[in-house]
Formats: sequence, C-alpha cells, structure tokens
Amino acid sequence: AQKVTQAQTEISVVEKEDVTLDCVYETRDTTYYLFWYKQPPSGELVFLIRRNSFDEQNEISGRYSWNFQKSTSSFNFTITASQVVDSAVYFCALSEGGGNNRLAFGKGNQVVVIP
Amino acid sequence: DGGITQSPKYLFRKEGQNVTLSCEQNLNHDAMYWYRQDPGQGLRLIYYSQIVNDFQKGDIAEGYSVSREKKESFPLTVTSAQKNPTAFYLCASSGAVLSGAKNIQYFGAGTRLSVL
Repeated sequence: AQKVTQAQTEISVVEKEDVTLDCVYETRDTTYYLFWYKQPPSGELVFLIRRNSFDEQNEISGRYSWNFQKSTSSFNFTITASQVVDSAVYFCALSEGGGNNRLAFGKGNQVVVIP
Repeated sequence: DGGITQSPKYLFRKEGQNVTLSCEQNLNHDAMYWYRQDPGQGLRLIYYSQIVNDFQKGDIAEGYSVSREKKESFPLTVTSAQKNPTAFYLCASSGAVLSGAKNIQYFGAGTRLSVL
C-alpha cells in the first residue's frame, strides 16, 4: 500500500526566511508520481508540482524548489525568502502507476509566515 | 472560466437526514473524485469515478453514495448511516485519458458540512 509521511505539523517562520517541508513516501511500484499541493485558508487545493519516478532532477519555480531523492524515498519542498502569502497548508501526495490514479496524501504541513 | 464548482459552500445536516453535495466540472475531465478532510488530517478518498456510469469505493465509502450519470457531474450523498459527517469535502477531477497531464487532480473550493 502506498503511504506518505509529513512529519512536521506546524512550522512558523519569520518573513524572508527559508522553509523546507519534508515528505517521505512508501510504495512497491517502480512507476509512481509525486505531487505537492497548497491549501490556502480559502480551502481549495492548488496544484504545485508533479514528478514521476523516473525523473530525479530537482526543480525550481520562482521561490519554490523541490528535491527528489529515490535513494531516501523523499520529495522535499523548499520555499525561499518566504512571504506572508505563503501561509497555508502544504500536502505531499503519491499516485502509483496503475490506471486508477488514486492519490495518497500526507497529513500536511501548516506553514505560518510571520511578518 | 474552466474549473470545478462545488455547492453549497456550507451545509447543515439534521439527525437522520440525507444531504447531497454537488460537484460540476467543465474541464472535459474523465475522472472525478471525492475526498473528506478532517482538522489536522490529510485528505481521504471516499469515492472515485474514471468514466461515466462507473465508480469505485475509496478508503472510507461507508455512509456515502455517489452517481455519475453525466461526465460533468459527480454528486455525493451523505446518508444517515454516516454517523460522523462533520468535515470539509473536496471534489477533484483529472484529465482526459490521452492527456499527458491526465493524472493531475484539480480541486474545487470545497463544501463544509456540519451537523445540527
């Protein structure tokens, strides 16, 4: 069974500090997809990134960056120079390569950016 | 604008009552999903449908029912058998089968259900 662990529940940072969110996953499949979503106070989940299991390149998008390491089954997310608008809950999720596209979510990280 | 519309935003259920949450998408997506979110928890899958007139139970289907009569619509009924229905319910959809991004799920704004 697929499983996603996000160990830290709430993280507070002062504006302009960097924050890293850890995500560790478990799966027996060799083909799988990893995702990060942002849930602002409004409640809607916003898609941030998808990475497949064959692509271990790290990715940067503006102030966001992701570090995928298959050797440690981790897909960590860093927000650089945090801003108040980054305050949200961030979820890591895993989908195995079969056809049903089911997502297994971690419990999420509540990020609070203090001005 | 293309997207996923959930209604109502807030819903109250009386004891013994069934209530139905609406989810409509105009993204031409084949697959649709219902999740439940409790405070401090991740999302848990209730039901999902990969194609019209077909759906499968997720991890916590007991006390819920769905239908998928149209591609655009995937309503969720919370029945009286669901003893603890208070939660935030999120609907999602994912792309057409031949789309390269078919497994990215996009979410609606959610419905917050409370028991009176």
